Amino acid sequence: DTAVSQTPKYLVTQMGNDKSIKCEQNLGHDTMYWYKQDSKKFLKIMFSYNNKELIINETVPNRFSPKSPDKAHLNLHINSLELGDSAVYFCASSPGLAEYEQYFGPGTRLTVT
Amino acid sequence: LAKTTQPISMDSYEGQEVNITCSHNNIATNDYITWYQQFPSQGPRFIIQGYKTKVTNEVASLFIPADRKSSTLSLPRVSLSDTAVYYCLVAGGADGLTFGKGTHLIIQP
Repeated sequence: DTAVSQTPKYLVTQMGNDKSIKCEQNLGHDTMYWYKQDSKKFLKIMFSYNNKELIINETVPNRFSPKSPDKAHLNLHINSLELGDSAVYFCASSPGLAEYEQYFGPGTRLTVT
Repeated sequence: LAKTTQPISMDSYEGQEVNITCSHNNIATNDYITWYQQFPSQGPRFIIQGYKTKVTNEVASLFIPADRKSSTLSLPRVSLSDTAVYYCLVAGGADGLTFGKGTHLIIQP
């Protein structure tokens, strides 16, 4: 059983398009995250939800909007895609914040042309 | 910005013990220190976590001095499959959840 799954694994799209990435965890965790890993391998937190409530919202363009329909799902919608949005996006989950181990999904490689 | 500093890369040989040090001079009282391993095209995977002193599990040890301004991940008897990027994360609550660039560890035969 996959603990944290993301779809799609690869996403190639053109500038200006709108796209969504889905994330699901079957671990019963309360907290979910979205991270962005750029070509330089920095892994930056974007958002975190705890029990469907937004608790971390880093300096991210408002073209990025997370949605958590329930505790097991955290989706990421991106409007008006730009070249600089090309990166690998990771979803993660944990029982709670920071002092808990995070479980990461396999990542979604987004390429904007 | 990440709260940590690590060497960009390290080399070692199979069977050796490898120690990777992370500096976190501005660590806060409620921060925990967590190490993750990442292989190409995969998400990071938890290795070990600690708050102070020494923690050991089946794959690694984590040494944290009394001032907590640094930590050392120790991997005993590495193998080729330990070649990966290792990230040190210092975070407490909702703060600090940005990983640094990590240390690219290369194990040679």
